[in-house]
Amino acid sequence: GESVGLHLPTLSVQEGDNSIINCAYSNSASDYFIWYKQESGKGPQFIIDIRSNMDKRQGQRVTVLLNKTVKHLSLQIAATQPGDSAVYFCAENNAGNMLTFGGGTRLMVKP
Amino acid sequence: DAGITQSPRYKITETGRQVTLMCHQTWSHSYMFWYRQDLGHGLRLIYYSAAADITDKGEVPDGYVVSRSKTENFPLTLESATRSQTSVYFCASSESLGIQPQHFGDGTRLSIL
Repeated sequence: GESVGLHLPTLSVQEGDNSIINCAYSNSASDYFIWYKQESGKGPQFIIDIRSNMDKRQGQRVTVLLNKTVKHLSLQIAATQPGDSAVYFCAENNAGNMLTFGGGTRLMVKP
Repeated sequence: DAGITQSPRYKITETGRQVTLMCHQTWSHSYMFWYRQDLGHGLRLIYYSAAADITDKGEVPDGYVVSRSKTENFPLTLESATRSQTSVYFCASSESLGIQPQHFGDGTRLSIL
């Protein structure tokens, strides 16, 4: 079974608003986490990553937060744009140095 | 900037046929991976390779064969296709494990009738 983000919920936001996409993981030994964006008909695209010795990392319009206490990962997208519409999923690096992927969240941006 | 390319993008075949999916990367990454993506399962690892001539099984290897004679190529073969292998297949590569992200191709949508 999957240990990361079991369902595919949908998040609908207004253009210009901030989006927060959440992911729960179960393996407390996981030491590296990645967020991917997948548009229809395309492969997953790397967005941002974070190591377990950090609790926050910022990129261009995106921020990843890691809460190891509750094993929770979130992706914040500032000023969401129509081009941000996609499925977003997290991945965790497990003890075998393999990635375990969640099922994802569909982000829909309303103009 | 080709990155990682997969071919074909779409393939329809019949049960029992052999089919090979191609993957080529231009980054000289050491590691390459094959995943399948199905509704309700997310991405599942089929096989991976740490270097030329080194391959290992992932979570769902049955029915698949891989080879890696050159660093840049990592073909996936279904020796006798079954309907349960209808899926979208993604190839990925990375320079290392556990500290760098994997980068994906755009996938092959395979339908087995």
